[in-house]
Amino acid sequence: GQQLNQSPQSMFIQEGEDVSMNCTSSSIFNTWLWYKQDPGEGPVLLIALYKAGELTSNGRLTAQFGITRKDSFLNISASIPSDVGIYFCAGQSGSTNAGKSTFGDGTTLTVKP
Amino acid sequence: EAQVTQNPRYLITVTGKKLTVTCSQNMNHEYMSWYRQDPGLGLRQIYYSMNVEVTDKGDVPEGYKVSRKEKRNFPLILESPSPNQTSLYFCASRTRTHSYEQYFGPGTRLTVT
Repeated sequence: GQQLNQSPQSMFIQEGEDVSMNCTSSSIFNTWLWYKQDPGEGPVLLIALYKAGELTSNGRLTAQFGITRKDSFLNISASIPSDVGIYFCAGQSGSTNAGKSTFGDGTTLTVKP
Repeated sequence: EAQVTQNPRYLITVTGKKLTVTCSQNMNHEYMSWYRQDPGLGLRQIYYSMNVEVTDKGDVPEGYKVSRKEKRNFPLILESPSPNQTSLYFCASRTRTHSYEQYFGPGTRLTVT
């Protein structure tokens, strides 16, 4: 099946630093989504991207849908301790296979106060 | 409160003993999915359902069964569990609309000895 390569696998940063992570795929996706998973809980949607080139912000988070439709990145500015968790990218191919979802392996973020 | 519930949250069982993990959502969502989460492998889709009586295989369906007799429920069945099915399982649901946002349950931690 389709695979997403998410990097980095883990990050250890100081509070206040900016963070960047990305996902790449060999296949085209029509939608990119970024989720965050807090310890002991299920993932929660942060940002959804629906058009190639789209740049969307949600507070300190910014994500972009790559022009080739095969990649996306997520930036977190001025990190705080509650940003700790696992961040997942997910791709959707579109209406022809609407039920299928592909997730990246996750980026584990640790923020040191 | 809009939510996805899973039961049980924790389960320890032995090889070969049939088990069912229940999933229920109260948002009238058409789409429901099951995922397993393993360290370093992210979220992998097991099965999904696009509506009542409509189910399809995800990326890792071997050893699992599902059914969708009612819109709100999507149980995951392990007919003969094996140790390699020890994992953290998430149920998720979403609408059929454009957003693709999935709402995840709290997870079920399964250990097969």
